[in-house]
Amino acid sequence: AQSVSQHNHHVILSEAASLELGCNYSYGGTVNLFWYVQYPGQHLQLLLKYFSGDPLVKGIKGFEAEFIKSKFSFNLRKPSVQWSDTAEYFCAVNGIDTNAGKSTFGDGTTLTVKP
Amino acid sequence: DAGVTQSPTHLIKTRGQQVTLRCSPKSGHDTVSWYQQALGQGPQFIFQYYEEEERQRGNFPDRFSGHQYPNYSSELNVNALLLGDSALYLCASSRGSGGGSPLHFGNGTRLTVT
Repeated sequence: AQSVSQHNHHVILSEAASLELGCNYSYGGTVNLFWYVQYPGQHLQLLLKYFSGDPLVKGIKGFEAEFIKSKFSFNLRKPSVQWSDTAEYFCAVNGIDTNAGKSTFGDGTTLTVKP
Repeated sequence: DAGVTQSPTHLIKTRGQQVTLRCSPKSGHDTVSWYQQALGQGPQFIFQYYEEEERQRGNFPDRFSGHQYPNYSSELNVNALLLGDSALYLCASSRGSGGGSPLHFGNGTRLTVT
């Protein structure tokens, strides 16, 4: 079985602060990893994804994430947050073998950025 | 835009009743997945449909069933509703069933069971 753990339920930052949201997964095989974001009043949308290759992936709006295989982690980072980054962030994992197509999500981290 | 559309947006049902939720995938997508999201939790995978067949299933009872039509649209049916079925039901579409394509989500259907 695959599972995802997001360490912070709620993070509050001031504008221009740096952000790191933790995500750890559990799965015995090769995985695809995703971060999705849900802005207030909007649907979930893809922020970035990792399939293979360079473990540092860049997404939209200046976000990036690093896949550390030895730590089963895929943490999300942004050097300087903006008020418009206020949203809920979900990490998701998809094992590419028997679990192909079955994405497992963490419980999300709510990010509030104070202007 | 030709994104994922779900209907209805809200629904109130009584325990024991049956409900059908509908989803039209994003243009160009052939795979539909359904998720249940309870308050304060992440989406929980219910099942995935590709080529009109259920390809993957999560840990949900047989009361949850689905269907995919030749035009790729999909339905989620829940029988014998329980209070615990109250949640936001999300439909997500993608290209292919292998999990290599990111999910595109609809706005969801909020189901309340009384």
